[in-house]
Amino acid sequence: KAGVTQTPRYLIKTRGQQVTLSCSPISGHRSVSWYQQTPGQGLQFLFEYFSETQRNKGNFPGRFSGRQFSNSRSEMNVSTLELGDSALYLCASSFWVQETQYFGPGTRLLVL
Amino acid sequence: AQTVTQSQPEMSVQEAETVTLSCTYDTSENNYYLFWYKQPPSRQMILVIRQEAYKQQNATENRFSVNFQKAAKSFSLKISDSQLGDTAMYFCAFSGGNQFYFGTGTSLTVIP
Repeated sequence: KAGVTQTPRYLIKTRGQQVTLSCSPISGHRSVSWYQQTPGQGLQFLFEYFSETQRNKGNFPGRFSGRQFSNSRSEMNVSTLELGDSALYLCASSFWVQETQYFGPGTRLLVL
Repeated sequence: AQTVTQSQPEMSVQEAETVTLSCTYDTSENNYYLFWYKQPPSRQMILVIRQEAYKQQNATENRFSVNFQKAAKSFSLKISDSQLGDTAMYFCAFSGGNQFYFGTGTSLTVIP
C-alpha cells in the first residue's frame, strides 16, 4: 500500500496570504489528523476528520480550517498567514479513530 | 484530560550500547493504546512500537522493546545495540478517549 502523501512538500508564502495543504491517506483509512510542529511548541494537534466530519479540534484560531472529502483525502487551509505559522505541518491517517496513526512526510511552510 | 510526559529532553548513548527513554502518562481511561514514534532528521515520523493497554505482555520489535507498567502509568522504550541510524527525536504517544496525545519528545544521539 502507498503511504500517506502530502502536497506540496515545501511552500513559501508572505504574511496575509492564505495557503491550502493537501493530504491523501493510506487506502482504506478513514481518519485523518493534522499537526503543527515547530521547534518551540513541539507537536500540536490541529484537528481530526473522520468520514468527512470534524471530530476533534485543537486550540488554534479560526484562521486554521480543514475539510475531508468522500474519498478521505483532506485539506487544511490557513488564512491571513502570520510569521508564526511557519512550521512543519504533518498529516496522519488511521483506519479508525484511536487506531495507530501513520504519518506523511509533512509540508514545510515558510511565511515571510 | 490525558497527558503524556517525557522528562528527558535529550539523551545520548554509545553505539552498540543500550538506552532507555522514559514516558509517563495520566488517564482515567481503561482502554487505550500507547506508542513510540521516531522522527529522524528527515522529519518523517515513523512508528516504532505499539502497546495495547489490555495486554500485560510488553511489546517488542527487534531491538526495540517497552516496559509497560499500567498501574504506575509508565511506558519506557528500550533500544538495544544502538545504531547510528537510531539518532532521532522520539515521541511517546497515548491514544484514548478518541484522541491522540503526544509527549514533547526526547532527542536521542547515538555516538560512534
